[in-house]
Amino acid sequence: NAGVTQTPKFQVLKTGQSMTLQCAQDMNHNSMYWYRQDPGMGLRLIYYSASEGTTDKGEVPNGYNVSRLNKREFSLRLESAAPSQTSVYFCASSKSLAGGYEQYFGPGTRLTVT
Amino acid sequence: SQQGEEDPQALSIQEGENATMNCSYKTSINNLQWYRQNSGRGLVHLILIRSNEREKHSGRLRVTLDTSKKSSSLLITASRAADTASYFCATDVGNQFYFGTGTSLTVIP
Repeated sequence: NAGVTQTPKFQVLKTGQSMTLQCAQDMNHNSMYWYRQDPGMGLRLIYYSASEGTTDKGEVPNGYNVSRLNKREFSLRLESAAPSQTSVYFCASSKSLAGGYEQYFGPGTRLTVT
Repeated sequence: SQQGEEDPQALSIQEGENATMNCSYKTSINNLQWYRQNSGRGLVHLILIRSNEREKHSGRLRVTLDTSKKSSSLLITASRAADTASYFCATDVGNQFYFGTGTSLTVIP
């Protein structure tokens, strides 16, 4: 099992460009998450999907959109990238949203917006 | 923000010593989890403690939870160089997850 995979690993964008970060899990998990990690800030939840067909905002959703394409895949889109979106982005999945199930994380995407 | 705070921000110890890091949070929680992050990698789950539990053990890890003080501690006993990493607490409030700012642990061989 590959676990949680993310593409790309690195990306450099110019201000105003758009891109989609891809995430897939092969553990048959119901819930999936997108986080960003900035120095000294820990991880902050951008969006989550409790189950296939549902998405909800997290703590810092502005400037992002998500799509739960199917049970396996959850993508994050930046429509018009800004330098403030320079960060490391992590996708995660868990068996369920409720019940305190552990989250499994992907390796991350390092995004730089110039 | 619900975000937790870990203390200390950085900790450096000799191999074989114990390492203790603390997490404080702001509102009532369902569960609290601890994760480890090696440099440049994704987070790995270590242990979960539910709000009605006070202490939990897993191998060399011991976690305590004091809901009256809204705090948790993670103790790593007999540390190894391979324990060098950042450690984060994560609180589960409703459908939201909040991670702390992390403790950077360095274990010197």
